Amino acid sequence: AQSVAQPEDQVNVAEGNPLTVKCTYSVSGNPYLFWYVQYPNRGLQFLLKYITGDNLVKGSYGFEAEFNKSQTSFHLKKPSALVSDSALYFCAVRDWGEGNNRLAFGKGNQVVVIP
Amino acid sequence: GAGVSQSPSNKVTEKGKDVELRCDPISGHTALYWYRQSLGQGLEFLIYFQGNSAPDKSGLPSDRFSAERTGGSVSTLTIQRTQQEDSAVYLCASSLSSGRPDTQYFGPGTRLTVL
Repeated sequence: AQSVAQPEDQVNVAEGNPLTVKCTYSVSGNPYLFWYVQYPNRGLQFLLKYITGDNLVKGSYGFEAEFNKSQTSFHLKKPSALVSDSALYFCAVRDWGEGNNRLAFGKGNQVVVIP
Repeated sequence: GAGVSQSPSNKVTEKGKDVELRCDPISGHTALYWYRQSLGQGLEFLIYFQGNSAPDKSGLPSDRFSAERTGGSVSTLTIQRTQQEDSAVYLCASSLSSGRPDTQYFGPGTRLTVL
């Protein structure tokens, strides 16, 4: 079965500082990995995904994530956080070999960017 | 182009009543998914439709939950005899297809409150 862990409940960062949101995954085969962001009372917005190829993936709004197979991680990063980045961030995984199409989500990380 | 739309945005109902939630996927997307987001459970997969294939219902929590997709487009999620534990945000997503790791795009959700 596929699963995702987002170990921190909340990430606080000062505006202008680097932002990192951690994600580790577990799959039986090879993973497809996704990051989504959710603003209050809104649906999930796609940020980026890793399918294959380059381990560093660049996405929307200046975010990027690095796939690390040996550590089974897919941490989300942004070099300089903005107050508008304050939101709930979800990591999700789908297993290549599972034959299903569902995404397994982590519990989410609340990011608070302090002005 | 237009994204995934859901209606109603909010639904308040009394315990024991039936409710119907609607999802309009992105035009041309053949795959459609329902998820539930609740405080204690995070984001849970409910059901998945792909074209004319039989849906994957493995995530439905009980036989009070059902969903259909008419004409390969609009989908309705029905909850019969609602219970207080059904209170959650119900999210719909669509993707181009399921044969590849296509990105799932989410609607704004329907917030269901069962009194």
